[in-house]
Amino acid sequence: KAGVTQTPRYLIKTRGQQVTLSCSPISGHRSVSWYQQTPGQGLQFLFEYFSETQRNKGNFPGRFSGRQFSNSRSEMNVSTLELGDSALYLCASSPESLYGYTFGSGTRLTVV
Amino acid sequence: AQRVTQPEKLLSVFKGAPVELKCNYSYSGSPELFWYVQYSRQRLQLLLRHISRESIKGFTADLNKGETSFHLKKPFAQEEDSAMYYCALSGGSYIPTFGRGTSLIVHP
Repeated sequence: KAGVTQTPRYLIKTRGQQVTLSCSPISGHRSVSWYQQTPGQGLQFLFEYFSETQRNKGNFPGRFSGRQFSNSRSEMNVSTLELGDSALYLCASSPESLYGYTFGSGTRLTVV
Repeated sequence: AQRVTQPEKLLSVFKGAPVELKCNYSYSGSPELFWYVQYSRQRLQLLLRHISRESIKGFTADLNKGETSFHLKKPFAQEEDSAMYYCALSGGSYIPTFGRGTSLIVHP
């Protein structure tokens, strides 16, 4: 079974730009969650999508958005990038949250 | 608000010694608790779920609702157990919350 795939692995963007990250979950997993990981704040929940609907949202500004497609693939978008958005963005999929997550390797975003 | 606390940033033990990685939580409701592990240069992976009451790689974790704890234990540590361990909480409409992690180093 293929794991959770995130693309791209690395990104360098300039302040003010926008970025789109992609995640392909494990086949059959309908729940996709996104996390931001930084040394200062640790792992912080961004949002969860289940069957194309946002089911839960963390405490991030509206510049952070996401969506899920009918094949469960998900994208997250960050607009008007700030230096503080530099982080590892992790995608995690699950058949349902109570089973726990399978994580991807992450996308390392650097904002300069 | 729910919270997960892992009081130790670093835990250093010798091979064969018992290990206990502490996790305390605050949550009003029936929590779903997990332990995740990240070995060097690998992705974060699920180790244990409290609902399964399972033992994985010799690790066990018991949910103590009275003490609001979910400590991870292993009777005899191995060098390959060296990794970063995260305790996580989810449930209901609350946002999933991870602890800050404990780095376990097992010396030969």
